[in-house]
Amino acid sequence: DGGITQSPKYLFRKEGQNVTLSCEQNLNHDAMYWYRQDPGQGLRLIYYSQIVNDFQKGDIAEGYSVSREKKESFPLTVTSAQKNPTAFYLCASSIGTGNQPQHFGDGTRLSIL
Amino acid sequence: RKEVEQDPGPFNVPEGATVAFNCTYSNSASQSFFWYRQDCRKEPKLLMSVYSSGNEDGRFTAQLNRASQYISLLIRDSKLSDSATYLCVVHRTGGFKTIFGAGTRLFVKA
Repeated sequence: DGGITQSPKYLFRKEGQNVTLSCEQNLNHDAMYWYRQDPGQGLRLIYYSQIVNDFQKGDIAEGYSVSREKKESFPLTVTSAQKNPTAFYLCASSIGTGNQPQHFGDGTRLSIL
Repeated sequence: RKEVEQDPGPFNVPEGATVAFNCTYSNSASQSFFWYRQDCRKEPKLLMSVYSSGNEDGRFTAQLNRASQYISLLIRDSKLSDSATYLCVVHRTGGFKTIFGAGTRLFVKA
């Protein structure tokens, strides 16, 4: 079955620690995205990538970093510079960044210890 | 003012009712529109795209009004399983931008 796999489902971060969230897709989609969702709020774009080895900042990129070394993988690192990282993180992909809908992984919940 | 706005609800309706949600968008350069459904503590899932001529998928009907800059979702014969948050999504070109509304919560009661 084709889809988007995020891991882990739950993650706890200590103060001053960097953590990496995994996102893998086997849909052969060119574009991938990372969003953050806080309770009662809409999704906010952190980073997106339209093609391998290229990525762009979204609306709230500060404190986060990404890489896109392979088409199927788009990991997100939450750095210690992100002072309020507790949220639901969603990875998505789409065929391109035009008018196609995005499809989501089942998310990672990150909390501070 | 947010670029995409939805009534947060909640909408509480009995089974079998018809319910409608609206979503307004402020940027006239918006090109494509979608409705997603999100269950509690789960990922959003695409419900339907919204086409200029309006479109229907079973009990769900989506409409686009470009002149007034809103899209709507109508759910007929509501089921308990329709209880979820419905997200309006607007995509515009000119510097890639996809914007998610904060969602409208629907509770369908027996």
